[in-house]
Amino acid sequence: DAGVIQSPRHEVTEMGQEVTLRCKPISGHDYLFWYRQTMMRGLELLIYFNNNVPIDDSGMPEDRFSAKMPNASFSTLKIQPSEPRDSAVYFCASSLVRGPKWSYEQYFGPGTRLTVT
Amino acid sequence: GIQVEQSPPDLILQEGANSTLRCNFSDSVNNLQWFHQNPWGQLINLFYIPSGTKQNGRLSATTVATERYSLLYISSSQTTDSGVYFCAVWGPGGGADGLTFGKGTHLIIQP
Repeated sequence: DAGVIQSPRHEVTEMGQEVTLRCKPISGHDYLFWYRQTMMRGLELLIYFNNNVPIDDSGMPEDRFSAKMPNASFSTLKIQPSEPRDSAVYFCASSLVRGPKWSYEQYFGPGTRLTVT
Repeated sequence: GIQVEQSPPDLILQEGANSTLRCNFSDSVNNLQWFHQNPWGQLINLFYIPSGTKQNGRLSATTVATERYSLLYISSSQTTDSGVYFCAVWGPGGGADGLTFGKGTHLIIQP
């Protein structure tokens, strides 16, 4: 398996523009997570899906952020409009839950480095 | 929310040395995980360990939930162990905003 695939790997955009980040999870995994990492705030969980359904988006910082998972093979994280403080590395991860609830191992993508100028 | 403190913040060791990384948390948790981020930024999930002890090769982890701490042991360190080790905990609510990461331990293994 190719692992979790994220695109683009790097994105530079101007403030006010719409940004779409993409993620392809590992085939057969039923959970998908979006994280953000910045120097100031460290790692944060933004939202996660189970079987393509958003389970909890309480980590999404503002209404400018939205995420979708139209099918088991694809998810997007959209920022509209983007702001300089959104600059960060955004990671996608997927997992297959086995055994007790929350007992899982996450596999991370390489991340998308977003710079908003 | 839950406070997570990791120690030490930085650690420099020679290849072959053993190390212990600590994660303290301020409240009861449903889930605790250890992650490794290598110098190229790749994140790897090491352990899911809300309680008890687990081992995977040269790495092992122990969580004492009643005393609110977890330890990550690395034996016979290799240069590939370098990077940042994060502890993350889910509070009782379980929501995305309830997942708290520590600031990490930056480990450098010198040849």
